[in-house]
Amino acid sequence: NAGVTQTPKFQVLKTGQSMTLQCAQDMNHEYMSWYRQDPGMGLRLIHYSVGAGITDQGEVPNGYNVSRSTTEDFPLRLLSAAPSQTSVYFCASSTGTTSNIQYFGAGTRLSVL
Amino acid sequence: GQQVMQIPQYQHVQEGEDFTTYCNSSTTLSNIQWYKQRPGGHPVFLIQLVKSGEVKKQKRLTFQFGEAKKNSSLHITATQTTDVGTYFCAGLPGNTGKLIFGQGTTLQVKP
Repeated sequence: NAGVTQTPKFQVLKTGQSMTLQCAQDMNHEYMSWYRQDPGMGLRLIHYSVGAGITDQGEVPNGYNVSRSTTEDFPLRLLSAAPSQTSVYFCASSTGTTSNIQYFGAGTRLSVL
Repeated sequence: GQQVMQIPQYQHVQEGEDFTTYCNSSTTLSNIQWYKQRPGGHPVFLIQLVKSGEVKKQKRLTFQFGEAKKNSSLHITATQTTDVGTYFCAGLPGNTGKLIFGQGTTLQVKP
């Protein structure tokens, strides 16, 4: 099993550009989440999904969209990138609410100029 | 809103010294988890504590969950250079399925 796979690993965008960060998992986990990591801020939840067709906002959802059409995939869309979105983005999957142990992908390092 | 505070933010120790990081939650937690992130890597799950007052050990690492289920600690005995990284606690509040991560403690170990 590959676990959680994120692409791309690195990305540089100009302000106003759009892009999609890809996330796929092969563990048949129902729950998937997107976090951003900034120095001194820990991991902050952007959006999460408890199953195909169901998504909800996390702590910092503004500027990001998500969808969950399949159990395996959970893409994160930046519609109009801003320098404040420069960060490291992690996708994670988990089995559910009773423990919610997170299995993280390798991350995407995004710079917005 | 619900918060999980973690201290210290940074810790530099000499190899062989002990290290402790602390987490405090503003609300009662169903469980608390600990993760380790090596430099340039991604967070990796270490352990989960569920019961009030629970203590678990993994070799030189000791994890504790407070009696009120609002605080937790990770203690490393006799640090080694392989312990370098950022340690995160993550709490699961009783009323939601969303994990809340602490800010992390970055450990540097001088050989």
